Amino acid sequence: QSALTQPASVSGSPGQSITISCTGTSSDVGTYNYVSWYQQHPGKAPKLMIYDVSYRPSGVSNRFSGSKSGNTASLTISGLQAEDEADYYCSSYTSSSTRVFGTGTKVTVL
Amino acid sequence: QITLKESGPTLVKPTQTLTLTCTFSGFSLSTSRVGVGWIRQPPGKALEWLALIYWDDDKRYSPSLKSRLTITKDTSKNQVVLTVTNMDPGDTATYYCAHNPRNSWYFDLWGRGTLVTVSS
Repeated sequence: QSALTQPASVSGSPGQSITISCTGTSSDVGTYNYVSWYQQHPGKAPKLMIYDVSYRPSGVSNRFSGSKSGNTASLTISGLQAEDEADYYCSSYTSSSTRVFGTGTKVTVL
Repeated sequence: QITLKESGPTLVKPTQTLTLTCTFSGFSLSTSRVGVGWIRQPPGKALEWLALIYWDDDKRYSPSLKSRLTITKDTSKNQVVLTVTNMDPGDTATYYCAHNPRNSWYFDLWGRGTLVTVSS
C-alpha cells in the first residue's frame, strides 16, 4: 500500500480558511468512510482532529471540518489561528484491513 | 483516563532486533473490539503505520514490513510488545503506540513516543 498523497505545504493568513487534500485509491479512501485526520505540533505526539471523514472528537474546535469525494478526502480549517500552525496527516482504513497514513502537510499561518 | 507509554532501547545496532513495550492504563485489551497500534516517524518525515493488535488477538501488519514485525499483547500486564528484526539505519524513528477505540478505525489517544536510533 502506498502512502496517501497530501500537499507538502499549505498557508493562509489569520482568519482565512484553508483546505488540505488527501488522495488515495479505491482500496482505501474511495471505498471506506474511515478517514481520520491528525494534528502534530513539533516534538509532540499526533492529536486526533477528525474521524470517520467528518466527525470531530469532543474538545476539537468546530473550525475543523472534514469531507470526502471519490478517492480524495479534505480537511478544512476555517478562521485560521496561529495555534493551527502544525503538521497534518490523514489516515485511512484499507481493503487489507490495515491502515495507511498520508505524506503530511505543513500548515503555515502567515 | 487513558494513557499509553512506550519504552525500550534508545540505541540499537544494525542487524539487531528491536523490542518495544507499550504500557497502558485506563482501558483493557480484553474489551471487545479495542485495539493498540504502533506507528513510527523518522526524523523530519511522515507518520508510518506499522501494526495493530485487537482484543481477540487479531493482528494486522504493514505489508511492506510484515516479514520483520511481530506484535503481541499481555492483557494481564496491560502491555503490547512490538519487535522489529534486522534493524537498519533507515529504521531510526520515533515509535508511537496508540489506542484504537472499539468499533472504530482511528487512533484517539497516543503515547509520547520513544526515539530509537540505529547506529553502529
